[in-house]
Amino acid sequence: GENVEQHPSTLSVQEGDSAVIKCTYSDSASNYFPWYKQELGKRPQLIIDIRSNVGEKKDQRIAVTLNKTAKHFSLHITETQPEDSAVYFCAASNLGNEKLTFGTGTRLTIIP
Amino acid sequence: EAGVVQSPRYKIIEKKQPVAFWCNPISGHNTLYWYLQNLGQGPELLIRYENEEAVDDSQLPKDRFSAERLKGVDSTLKIQPAELGDSAVYLCASSSRFNEKLFFGSGTQLSVL
Repeated sequence: GENVEQHPSTLSVQEGDSAVIKCTYSDSASNYFPWYKQELGKRPQLIIDIRSNVGEKKDQRIAVTLNKTAKHFSLHITETQPEDSAVYFCAASNLGNEKLTFGTGTRLTIIP
Repeated sequence: EAGVVQSPRYKIIEKKQPVAFWCNPISGHNTLYWYLQNLGQGPELLIRYENEEAVDDSQLPKDRFSAERLKGVDSTLKIQPAELGDSAVYLCASSSRFNEKLFFGSGTQLSVL
């Protein structure tokens, strides 16, 4: 089955700086890569996703890049704000029939 | 639109006791998932329903866990008997199609003493 590794496990950045979280996956058949944000004590929420037919996707201050050859994808947050502090999970699946496999999460802390 | 609703929010029980969690998915979402989230870990799939049918329960410990989704809407996850290692957050999620844009509930935090 799919195995997703996520790094780093914790990340602290100054407010206004950029944050990057990286994930690698093992199954070359995976073609769907969402990112979820989970604030303390709250539910995970989808913030952005990318399919394997594109290499990059942006939504305001967040972007995701995908390198299919290397089997890794990254979340980029620019101009970080205090409300970006949360745990971020990457995930991967084959939209055809495989379950969504989550990474172990990155706790992002924005320092004011 | 109303989100995924779960209850209870918290549950504390003694080991060997039974416990049940309830989930009401987003209206019109045919796919329902139960996930287990241990502290500091990502969610792990326990079972997936397509309408009333459990199509992936390979990760569900069937000796003590059971689930049902009557009429393809609400779902209940049960543990009997609970063990200390079952302490975790149980998340329910739904989507309009398999694996696409999962919407999670707030979860049930279970503590087994």
